[in-house]
Amino acid sequence: GAGVSQSPSNKVTEKGKDVELRCDPISGHTALYWYRQSLGQGLEFLIYFQGNSAPDKSGLPSDRFSAERTGGSVSTLTIQRTQQEDSAVYLCASSLMGGEGQPQHFGDGTRLSIL
Amino acid sequence: RKEVEQDPGPFNVPEGATVAFNCTYSNSASQSFFWYRQDCRKEPKLLMSVYSSGNEDGRFTAQLNRASQYISLLIRDSKLSDSATYLCVVNKNTGNQFYFGTGTSLTVIP
Repeated sequence: GAGVSQSPSNKVTEKGKDVELRCDPISGHTALYWYRQSLGQGLEFLIYFQGNSAPDKSGLPSDRFSAERTGGSVSTLTIQRTQQEDSAVYLCASSLMGGEGQPQHFGDGTRLSIL
Repeated sequence: RKEVEQDPGPFNVPEGATVAFNCTYSNSASQSFFWYRQDCRKEPKLLMSVYSSGNEDGRFTAQLNRASQYISLLIRDSKLSDSATYLCVVNKNTGNQFYFGTGTSLTVIP
């Protein structure tokens, strides 16, 4: 389909390892968001990309977290030296353009488990 | 105070019932409002946008009350398939960041 695609769908890794999560937004969507959701909790904003503008990184919880978006399309979220509290579902969303009135469309998420 | 607050429920209602959820938001400058539904272990999916004049989509009606800073979702003639968590979403006044409520859990009982 033409929805937001995330990979891997599940990732289990040992504490201290680095992980990389990938998001392919809907074609033509210029805005891309990363969120994470812990069990039973709401969505926590991480980072936002809009076109070629500097990303809004205000939600990244620590300097172990970083994200890139190459060519205005695919994005990768990298977590270095993972900790157990990083375990969560990481959701990517895209919209036609950032800002008012534009709903976000979510991918299936990556379920990350840190042992 | 949280940016967006919802009653977590759970709401357990019989099939055919009418149920309403409210969501309050703290930023009076917010301009965009949405309701999403999220099924267990699934991603959120857009249910409907909320317009100033209120809007209806089949059995679902959304309303916005700017004076009291809340939005509502009304579900009529509940179906078993309506069982899900309903998320309230509000944007910041700058437009590029959205706040999600923690959701209201609905279970429709046969």
